[in-house]
Amino acid sequence: TQLLEQSPQFLSIQEGENLTVYCNSSSVFSSLQWYRQEPGEGPVLLVTVVTGGEVKKLKRLTFQFGDARKDSSLHITAAQPGDTGLYLCAASSGAQKLVFGQGTRLTINP
Amino acid sequence: DVKVTQSSRYLVKRTGEKVFLECVQDMDHENMFWYRQDPGLGLRLIYFSYDVKMKEKGDIPEGYSVSREKKERFSLILESASTNQTSMYLCASSFFTGTGLTYEQYFGPGTRLTVT
Repeated sequence: TQLLEQSPQFLSIQEGENLTVYCNSSSVFSSLQWYRQEPGEGPVLLVTVVTGGEVKKLKRLTFQFGDARKDSSLHITAAQPGDTGLYLCAASSGAQKLVFGQGTRLTINP
Repeated sequence: DVKVTQSSRYLVKRTGEKVFLECVQDMDHENMFWYRQDPGLGLRLIYFSYDVKMKEKGDIPEGYSVSREKKERFSLILESASTNQTSMYLCASSFFTGTGLTYEQYFGPGTRLTVT
């Protein structure tokens, strides 16, 4: 069974601080996606990374796919209250189904 | 933009009732999925469909069935609702991007189902 471990599970920081969320596995994946989910809503796709070592930026969010395509990180610079939410990583091995991590619940305090 | 809609945002049903949750996507995606999301358990796949009239069981299919008569519509059916099926139900559709063997999934807003 392929598993994705996210850490930390919960993170509460002050506005303006930086943070990093990790998504790790012992399996190799063909691609990895990050989603953000706000309370009462469905997850929204933020980014897809497909190449080992790939880095993508979305404003203050930086996503990296590990060289071996087994792990990924999400770094947020100068966090804002609007970044609050549940962050999910999901990985694909080329099949239609995705494997999801348990999520990181992020709270940014004003 | 991909749009996935779900028939209800909130639903309250009684134990033993038959419940239908409808999902519609407007992007001609081949694949559609039903998940439930519970605190501490993450997203769990109930069923998915990769074509009209085709379906495959996910990780927790017991107590559920699905129907896909048209490409854009995927229905989840609770034959006899029970209190342990109280949950957030999320529908998603996906397509093959052609890059890195990737299927990107797009989610609906969810249906918060309460069974009393």
